[in-house]
Amino acid sequence: EAGVAQSPRYKIIEKRQSVAFWCNPISGHATLYWYQQILGQGPKLLIQFQNNGVVDDSQLPKDRFSAERLKGVDSTLKIQPAKLEDSAVYLCASSFGKGHEKLFFGSGTQLSVL
Amino acid sequence: GESVGLHLPTLSVQEGDNSIINCAYSNSASDYFIWYKQESGKGPQFIIDIRSNMDKRQGQRVTVLLNKTVKHLSLQIAATQPGDSAVYFCAENSGSARQLTFGSGTQLTVLP
Repeated sequence: EAGVAQSPRYKIIEKRQSVAFWCNPISGHATLYWYQQILGQGPKLLIQFQNNGVVDDSQLPKDRFSAERLKGVDSTLKIQPAKLEDSAVYLCASSFGKGHEKLFFGSGTQLSVL
Repeated sequence: GESVGLHLPTLSVQEGDNSIINCAYSNSASDYFIWYKQESGKGPQFIIDIRSNMDKRQGQRVTVLLNKTVKHLSLQIAATQPGDSAVYFCAENSGSARQLTFGSGTQLTVLP
């Protein structure tokens, strides 16, 4: 069974530029999550999708972050404009159910904002 | 602050010894807990989970213990191997939002 796929693996941008990350979850997983992991910390939830609908985006900085999952499968997370403090690993995860249980994570996109 | 924390940020053990990684949580309403392993450059990998109606659960070389009285969770790794070197996170699932809240992690280093 293929795991959660993410791209790109690394991204370096300057502040105020925009960036987008892509995620393809495990086949059949209805729930998709985007997490932000700052160096030395545990992952923090940004947004949760159930199929193509947003379930929870309470911790998403909506003035600069956006995410979509148009067809209920793959998803993109965008930052525009980026700030220095956005430097982190952005992890995508998926689960079969919707209760934040047994999440499967991708390898993440490491973002450096200079 | 985070409701899930770890007692020790780093842990070093000799290869072949048993490892114990501890985790404290503050939300008594938490009813589901997970341990993840994260190797350098990779995403967190599911190890084992436990529900609040259980005190102990065993997997392959790993055991999770839950003490609801003192709100403490531990992960025991038997016969620790070099491949076990990683950061270990505990996470709890609680609250009306049912979010998975992660702790800050413990770096386990296995010494030869």
